[in-house]
This record gives sequence, C-alpha cells and structure tokens, in this order.
Amino acid sequence: DTEVTQTPKHLVMGMTNKKSLKCEQHMGHRAMYWYKQKAKKPPELMFVYSYEKLSINESVPSRFSPECPNSSLLNLHLHALQPEDSALYLCASSQAEPGQTALEAFFGQGTRLTVV
Amino acid sequence: QKEVEQNSGPLSVPEGAIASLNCTYSDRGSQSFFWYRQYSGKSPELIMFIYSNGDKEDGRFTAQLNKASQYVSLLIRDSQPSDSATYLCAVDSSGSARQLTFGSGTQLTVLP
Repeated sequence: DTEVTQTPKHLVMGMTNKKSLKCEQHMGHRAMYWYKQKAKKPPELMFVYSYEKLSINESVPSRFSPECPNSSLLNLHLHALQPEDSALYLCASSQAEPGQTALEAFFGQGTRLTVV
Repeated sequence: QKEVEQNSGPLSVPEGAIASLNCTYSDRGSQSFFWYRQYSGKSPELIMFIYSNGDKEDGRFTAQLNKASQYVSLLIRDSQPSDSATYLCAVDSSGSARQLTFGSGTQLTVLP
C-alpha cells in the first residue's frame, strides 16, 4: 500500500482564517514532506520531518506552521495567508532517512487551497 | 545551487511512437533519480526510479542513467494518449539534508 492521504481535498479560506491541512500515511515511512505547487510549476519543498523532528525548513513564512504529532501524521497549520499562497499543497513520505540511500517519495492527492 | 533541468516542451509524439524525455543535473553527489508523471490537476505519481548507471526497464518505460554525463532520461515505448501528462525529473540531493529537487517538467502530448 503506497497511499498517502490528505484532507481536505479543497479548501477556501479568508486571509484572517486559521485552518489546518492534514496528511496521513501507514507505510512505516519515517520522513514526511510538505510541498507547494503553483500552476505549471514543479513542486517546491517547504518542510521535511525526519523521525518526527523538523529537519528542513526552506525559509517558509511563519504563517505556515508544520506539526508532526506522530510518525504517521503530518499537519500544516495556516494563519493569515495571502492570496498568493493559493496553490496545491502536497504531502509526501519516504522510507529513507538522511544518510541512507533510496528516497522514493510517494505523494498524497494534495489539497487545493484558495485564499480569498 | 543544485539544479535539475528538463526541456519544458511541449513534446508531441504520435500514438505508438517512442517518447524520449531528458534531464540533466548539477550535483555530482546525487545518488537516486526519479521520474514522476503528473496529470493536470493531480498529484505527482512515481513511475520509475534508478540508482545505477545503465538502463532500467519496467513495462513500456525505460530509465537511463549516465552519472559521468550527469544525465538521466525516460523512454516511453508504444506511447498512448493516456501517457499525455507532465513528466517531472527528480534528483536526490547529496549532503546531510537529503531532499528531492525537481526539474521544471516536460509536457508530453501523445496524438491519437
């Protein structure tokens, strides 16, 4: 089972709202990722969690706040977003940890976020 | 800066032909290379990965890797209209903070 589940599939939020995106995997993967993808662009890495610890933050604004409650779950908390933050937000997971080979990453279906 | 470059296309091939997608990368320490297929409005789907120099075949797909030339390619044989999508090359960056770096993608259209 190579399934990564993201909820919700679609989200419309105002600039003063607080919302959360959720991601879940049951493949035993110990690395989980958040990516942001704008139309006709490749995914851009936002955060990496390895063994439930934040290992990479690609200079993401603080209005995006990641959380990894356990090895199967990854959240992205959103607050005071701007219209330019509208994008497809992708969660991914992989088995490998830093320092080891193989980094096959499997993506969830994404959350289409619109900020109004 | 570690870069992954692809021809953005669009690439059009007739049904039944071979589609050839190319990718170059700048980080000589990269160890793993991946091809993702992304349909419009959908998330990327892993279709091939390769770690060693040479060819790797899986059904109609063949990945080719040449680390000396820092080049990886994907061949799709007997292309079908359902293969029409954007193909993303991704490279595992070396160093202590492992992550995937994506190319900008090649849009492939297979004409019936």
